[in-house]
Amino acid sequence: DTAVSQTPKYLVTQMGNDKSIKCEQNLGHDTMYWYKQDSKKFLKIMFSYNNKELIINETVPNRFSPKSPDKAHLNLHINSLELGDSAVYFCASSQSEGSYGYTFGSGTRLTVV
Amino acid sequence: DQQVKQNSPSLSVQEGRISILNCDYTNSMFDYFLWYKKYPAEGPTFLISISSIKDKNEDGRFTVFLNKSAKHLSLHIVPSQPGDSAVYFCAASAEAGGTSYGKLTFGQGTILTVHP
Repeated sequence: DTAVSQTPKYLVTQMGNDKSIKCEQNLGHDTMYWYKQDSKKFLKIMFSYNNKELIINETVPNRFSPKSPDKAHLNLHINSLELGDSAVYFCASSQSEGSYGYTFGSGTRLTVV
Repeated sequence: DQQVKQNSPSLSVQEGRISILNCDYTNSMFDYFLWYKKYPAEGPTFLISISSIKDKNEDGRFTVFLNKSAKHLSLHIVPSQPGDSAVYFCAASAEAGGTSYGKLTFGQGTILTVHP
C-alpha cells in the first residue's frame, strides 16, 4: 500500500527520445513535487503543484513539462532527452503548500545514453 | 550556489556511540529545518525538524541542534544502531515566506555507517 508511487523505477533511453514518469499519492495530500537528485547528490526542486495548480517552477528547461490531471497525480514528461538529464527523479507530496513533512516516492533512475 | 551544505560526505561510528551529522546554510531567510533519512533504492523519509524559534528539538534517540548565529545545525543520534546506517539529508525552508516558501532546499547528504 505505497503512499507515493512512481513508475517506472528505472528508465534507460536514447538521446532525443521523449519519456514520461508517473507519480500517484494516496495520502489525500494537496501538494505534490518533483525533485531531481543530480550527480553531486543534491536534491533540487523542479516543480510543485497545489490542487492541480502550478506553484513552483524552478529554472528547468522547458523540455520538462509537468502535468497534474488531479491532485493525486503529478506526471513528468521530458522531451528531447539529453545526456545531462540522467539523474534520479523523486516525486513527493505534502499535506499543503508550506507543510514540509514530505512523503517521497522511491525514485526513478533515468539514464540517457 | 548551494545554500545548504553538508561538508562530510561520510561518517563511520561504532554501535552504541554518538553520531553527529552537521549541516551549514547561507540563506538567512531560512527559518525551518529538517532532517531526512534515506535507505538505498528508497525515497527520503522525514526524521525530525526544528523551527528557528528553538535551538533544540528532541525525539527519542534523535536530537537536532540549531545555532542561528553560526547558520549551523546538527543531528545527534544516541545511541547509534546498525539500522541507522543510511544517507542523512539536511533541508531548509522559509516558513515566513519569500522565495524559499513552499520548497525545501536540500544538502547533498552524509552517508552514516554504524558498525556492530
